[in-house]
Amino acid sequence: AQKVTQAQTEISVVEKEDVTLDCVYETRDTTYYLFWYKQPPSGELVFLIRRNSFDEQNEISGRYSWNFQKSTSSFNFTITASQVVDSAVYFCALSEAGRAAGNKLTFGGGTRVLVKP
Amino acid sequence: EPEVTQTPSHQVTQMGQEVILRCVPISNHLYFYWYRQILGQKVEFLVSFYNNEISEKSEIFDDQFSVERPDGSNFTLKIRSTKLEDSAMYFCATTFNLAGSTDTQYFGPGTRLTVL
Repeated sequence: AQKVTQAQTEISVVEKEDVTLDCVYETRDTTYYLFWYKQPPSGELVFLIRRNSFDEQNEISGRYSWNFQKSTSSFNFTITASQVVDSAVYFCALSEAGRAAGNKLTFGGGTRVLVKP
Repeated sequence: EPEVTQTPSHQVTQMGQEVILRCVPISNHLYFYWYRQILGQKVEFLVSFYNNEISEKSEIFDDQFSVERPDGSNFTLKIRSTKLEDSAMYFCATTFNLAGSTDTQYFGPGTRLTVL
């Protein structure tokens, strides 16, 4: 069975500080995908990134960066120079790859990020 | 940019009543999903739907739940006899998923269901 653990339930920072969100996953599959979604106070789920298990290169997109380490089953997310608009709940998720039945997402419990001005 | 839409945004119902939640997927997408998020908790998979049939369902998706795509565009989730514990945000998600691939699931804005 798949499992995603986000040990930090809430992180509070002051604007312009960096914040790193941890995500640890468990799966028996050799091929899988990892995702991060943002859930702002308005409630929708906004896709941030998708990474497959064969691609361990770190990725940067603006102020966001992701560190995928297969050896430790972790896919951590860093927000650099945080802004108030980054305040949200962030979910890490895992799915199997290429199943004919579809690829359901298994979500972690989420980390609430509060950025104070 | 194409979006997944859901109606209604908020539904209030009495315990024991039937509710139907509606989703309009992105037009060329082939796989459809329903997820549930109880307030303050994580997002949980309910069911996936492909080629006009359920392809996978979770333990949460019991006989009280059903899904269908009645007209080739809407994708609906029906709860036959709602219980207090069905109160949650329900998200529809869709993806293209060419055979052998795993595409990103795009989520609708959600329907908040309140059962009184």
